[in-house]
Amino acid sequence: EDKVVQSPLSLVVHEGDTVTLNCSYEVTNFRSLLWYKQEKKAPTFLFMLTSSGIEKKSGRLSSILDKKELFSILNITATQTGDSAIYLCAVVVEGDKIIFGKGTRLHILP
Amino acid sequence: EADIYQTPRYLVIGTGKKITLECSQTMGHDKMYWYQQDPGMELHLIHYSYGVNSTEKGDLSSESTVSRIRTEHFPLTLESARPSHTSQYLCASSEPGTTYQETQYFGPGTRLLVL
Repeated sequence: EDKVVQSPLSLVVHEGDTVTLNCSYEVTNFRSLLWYKQEKKAPTFLFMLTSSGIEKKSGRLSSILDKKELFSILNITATQTGDSAIYLCAVVVEGDKIIFGKGTRLHILP
Repeated sequence: EADIYQTPRYLVIGTGKKITLECSQTMGHDKMYWYQQDPGMELHLIHYSYGVNSTEKGDLSSESTVSRIRTEHFPLTLESARPSHTSQYLCASSEPGTTYQETQYFGPGTRLLVL
């Protein structure tokens, strides 16, 4: 059975800290890995990763994929209170199905 | 920015009622999806569509049905709502691209409460 596991499930840090969110997966016919940020409403897209070892960056956020070890990390540097959200990892498999992890709930203290 | 809309945003109804959750997108995307998400839980795919007249069931068994008569419209219907249907329902569509390399855009969601 395909599965996506995120850790930690919940994280509380102070503003300015750097955080690393983990996503591991066990799927057949991997195609790509997606990261989303979900606040009070629907998830918003952050990154799509398909190749190992290539870092994607957007401002203070960055992400990288390791297809050999079957995981991805999402880094947020110099965190701000606006980064508080649930961060979702999802894997696209053959057949265009998407499997989501349970998410990491991140809370940034001022 | 993606244009994908869902109505209503919030719905409170009694058991046994028939409801339709609307989802529409103006981007011309062929692929559309419905997800169900309980508070604090992961997203579960319940329906998807590759285009007009195409509908498939997702990984999570659902008593809902969908239709895709027009590209831009992908409504979800519950014939007889029950309290167990209380959840958030998210609609998404994806832009064309190389196979398996697609980005999904989500609507704002519909929060359903069945009493």
